[in-house]
Amino acid sequence: KAGVTQTPRYLIKTRGQQVTLSCSPISGHRSVSWYQQTPGQGLQFLFEYFSETQRNKGNFPGRFSGRQFSNSRSEMNVSTLELGDSALYLCASSSDGTGGEQFFGPGTRLTVL
Amino acid sequence: KQEVTQIPAALSVPEGENLVLNCSFTDSAIYNLQWFRQDPGKGLTSLLLIQSSQREQTSGRLNASLDKSSGRSTLYIAASQPGDSATYLCAVIENTDKLIFGTGTRLQVFP
Repeated sequence: KAGVTQTPRYLIKTRGQQVTLSCSPISGHRSVSWYQQTPGQGLQFLFEYFSETQRNKGNFPGRFSGRQFSNSRSEMNVSTLELGDSALYLCASSSDGTGGEQFFGPGTRLTVL
Repeated sequence: KQEVTQIPAALSVPEGENLVLNCSFTDSAIYNLQWFRQDPGKGLTSLLLIQSSQREQTSGRLNASLDKSSGRSTLYIAASQPGDSATYLCAVIENTDKLIFGTGTRLQVFP
C-alpha cells in the first residue's frame, strides 16, 4: 500500500500571497489531520477531517482553512501569508478516525519571504 | 489543557547501550498514546501505538509502556545502533484523532 503523499514538497512564497497544500491519505483511510511544525512551537494541531467534515480545529487564525474531498484527499489553504507561517506542514491519516494509529506524510516545507 | 513533556531533551550514547525515553502527560483521559521517530527534515514514522487499555507494546528492539493513572509512558530501546539516531516524539491521542505532541528527545548513537 502506498503511504501518505503530500504535494508539493517544497514551496517558497512571499508575504501576502496565499498557498494550497495537498494531502492524499493511505488508500481506504477516511481521517486526515494537519499539523504545523516549527522549531519554536514544535508540532501543533491544525485541523482534522473525517468523511468531508471538519471534526476538530486547533488554535490557529482563520487564515488557515482546509477541506476534504469525497475520495478522502485533503487540502489546506493559508491566505495572506506571514513570515511566521514558514514551517513544515505535515499531514496524517488514519483508517476510521477513532484514535487509532496515525501515519504521516513527508511534509511540505513552506518558506515565506 | 493537556500538556506533554519528554525527558531528556537530548541524549548521546555509544552504540550497544539500552535506553529509556520518558514521556509524561497531565490529563489521564486519553484514548491512546503513540510513539514516533523523526529524521532531520523528514516526516514522522510511527513506532508503536499503545491503546489506553494496554500496559505495553513491543516491536523488535522497542518496548513502550503506558501508565495512565500516573500520566507516564516509557520507550525502551534495546542494544542501540547508530541508525537509531533521530528525534523521538510521543503523542497522546485525545478525542477523535487529535494528537498532542511532546517536545521530543533528540537521540544520537555514536559508533
